[in-house]
Amino acid sequence: GNSVTQMEGPVTLSEEAFLTINCTYTATGYPSLFWYVQYPGEGLQLLLKATKADDKGSNKGFEATYRKETTSFHLEKGSVQVSDSAVYFCALSAPGYQAGTALIFGKGTTLSVSS
Amino acid sequence: EAQVTQNPRYLITVTGKKLTVTCSQNMNHEYMSWYRQDPGLGLRQIYYSMNVEVTDKGDVPEGYKVSRKEKRNFPLILESPSPNQTSLYFCASISTGDMNTEAFFGQGTRLTVV
Repeated sequence: GNSVTQMEGPVTLSEEAFLTINCTYTATGYPSLFWYVQYPGEGLQLLLKATKADDKGSNKGFEATYRKETTSFHLEKGSVQVSDSAVYFCALSAPGYQAGTALIFGKGTTLSVSS
Repeated sequence: EAQVTQNPRYLITVTGKKLTVTCSQNMNHEYMSWYRQDPGLGLRQIYYSMNVEVTDKGDVPEGYKVSRKEKRNFPLILESPSPNQTSLYFCASISTGDMNTEAFFGQGTRLTVV
């Protein structure tokens, strides 16, 4: 079946450090891949997405590249800020998905950035 | 503005007292879903609806009910809440399509059952 595995947290970094949050997936066909972010006290919001192999999604300085050969979609940012502290969820949507599984989420990774 | 509105944001209730969490979306999406978020377990799908009058169980449906009488609303009903349903709940409205899938989430409802 379809699934998403992302690195366990929490991830604790100093401001301006480089960030990587690993995400790998298992899916039939060619899924679309997403990163969602949840700031404290808020719902999830879409951070970036990629819909086909080798696509790079980017937003707010974050990037992730859809790697079909390694079934990965790692999230990166070159210089994190305190305001990036949040929970990050990797997700996939498999084409022709069966009822109910429009989006499958990883368990989330908590990022804490200190000044 | 695209919006998913959940109410209430916070709720403390007692075991066995029926409650309803409302969810409304203004994007005319057919697909809506309820999730609960618990530490270490991520997001787990409770129920989903692919259209009006079409609902089905997700991964953790026990103790919950839903209804979808109109496209914009998808309430979550706890007929007899128990302490293990203490959690953070999110409603999502999802645009579907192979290249255009995106989920829009409500602000969440933090429920405590004592």
